[in-house]
Amino acid sequence: TQLLEQSPQFLSIQEGENLTVYCNSSSVFSSLQWYRQEPGEGPVLLVTVVTGGEVKKLKRLTFQFGDARKDSSLHITAAQPGDTGLYLCAGDKNNNDMRFGAGTRLTVKP
Amino acid sequence: NAGVMQNPRHLVRRRGQEARLRCSPMKGHSHVYWYRQLPEEGLKFMVYLQKENIIDESGMPKERFSAEFPKEGPSILRIQQVVRGDSAAYFCASSPPDRAPETQYFGPGTRLLVL
Repeated sequence: TQLLEQSPQFLSIQEGENLTVYCNSSSVFSSLQWYRQEPGEGPVLLVTVVTGGEVKKLKRLTFQFGDARKDSSLHITAAQPGDTGLYLCAGDKNNNDMRFGAGTRLTVKP
Repeated sequence: NAGVMQNPRHLVRRRGQEARLRCSPMKGHSHVYWYRQLPEEGLKFMVYLQKENIIDESGMPKERFSAEFPKEGPSILRIQQVVRGDSAAYFCASSPPDRAPETQYFGPGTRLLVL
């Protein structure tokens, strides 16, 4: 059983559509990170959220950390083909390491 | 400032051979993490090291796998007597000491194929 459950596992949409992907857990995290990974490359850090209820925007990407710091969402507005990739969330439980979810594989078709 | 470097990028080994994967963290980063990723899956934590210390190896298989981060030189993930199930992408990440572990910068990975 994954500590962090990501949904949906796969998502295929048309360019211009909006989408939301989710990262859920029964555990509380001191911080949560979102990464994007392209084929053949390592994950690239997009954002770190720390405070319950926090919302961060990165251009067309909006990240929210749940009030209880157990879950998070990533919303993309007007998706573009360049947004295609594997989106991973990772949580830090204030110990020595982070745990990753299995990821949401997003495909944006032109 | 160069990013996290991993080499080799691709490694082919026959069953029973040894695999050595190297990771050079970003300059000034003293924390190193190793992860394994199978196709179509997320990353699985393996081990967290600081210079000359293993901090957390709870994700490492009990046998055949070892990791080190010496005072000088890169971190090494060593897999002895490889089996086909070891085929995966192995990623290394590093953090600066004041932002570990929540801020990790990943290398490009080493793709290990065991024939």
